[in-house]
Amino acid sequence: AQTVTQSQPEMSVQEAETVTLSCTYDTSESNYYLFWYKQPPSRQMILVIRQEAYKQQNATENRFSVNFQKAAKSFSLKISDSQLGDTAMYFCAFWQGGGADGLTFGKGTHLIIQP
Amino acid sequence: DTAVSQTPKYLVTQMGNDKSIKCEQNLGHDTMYWYKQDSKKFLKIMFSYNNKELIINETVPNRFSPKSPDKAHLNLHINSLELGDSAVYFCASSHWSIPGGEGDGYTFGSGTRLTVV
Repeated sequence: AQTVTQSQPEMSVQEAETVTLSCTYDTSESNYYLFWYKQPPSRQMILVIRQEAYKQQNATENRFSVNFQKAAKSFSLKISDSQLGDTAMYFCAFWQGGGADGLTFGKGTHLIIQP
Repeated sequence: DTAVSQTPKYLVTQMGNDKSIKCEQNLGHDTMYWYKQDSKKFLKIMFSYNNKELIINETVPNRFSPKSPDKAHLNLHINSLELGDSAVYFCASSHWSIPGGEGDGYTFGSGTRLTVV
């Protein structure tokens, strides 16, 4: 079974700073998908970024980028020029893909952006 | 044009009651899921359905019964509600296999906050 570990329960940074959220996972599969989801107080699960394991290039979405290290089974999220609206819970998730597998989630990191 | 919609958004009920949560998706996905988010924010899958067929049934009390009348709908019925059932329940959907690796592959509803008193 896959496991996902987020070692930072809470982080706090000043607005406009860059912050990196860490995520490690464990799997014996060679092809899979990794996600970062944002959950603001509204509780909506918002996809931030996604990475396919077969792609070596790190995914980027505007101010959000990942550092995907497949051999190390590491998938960190970098948020540049952080904004107050980035304050939320962030979940790292693993998906083997295809079939009807569920996502395996980490326990989340509560990110607080200070004005 | 909501992609995955759940109703109701909030549900407050007494112990022992029976309640249902409905979920509908208009994305053309063939697989739907129920997740439970507990008070510590941990998300865990409960069930998944593919084309109305139950695929995953994690260790969930049999008081929880999912029903899928068609591949666009997946409802969750809960009998004899207990205090420990209080949580946020998320519906999600995806394709059986991600076509071409594009698209987000997985879409969540906005969640239903269930409070049992």
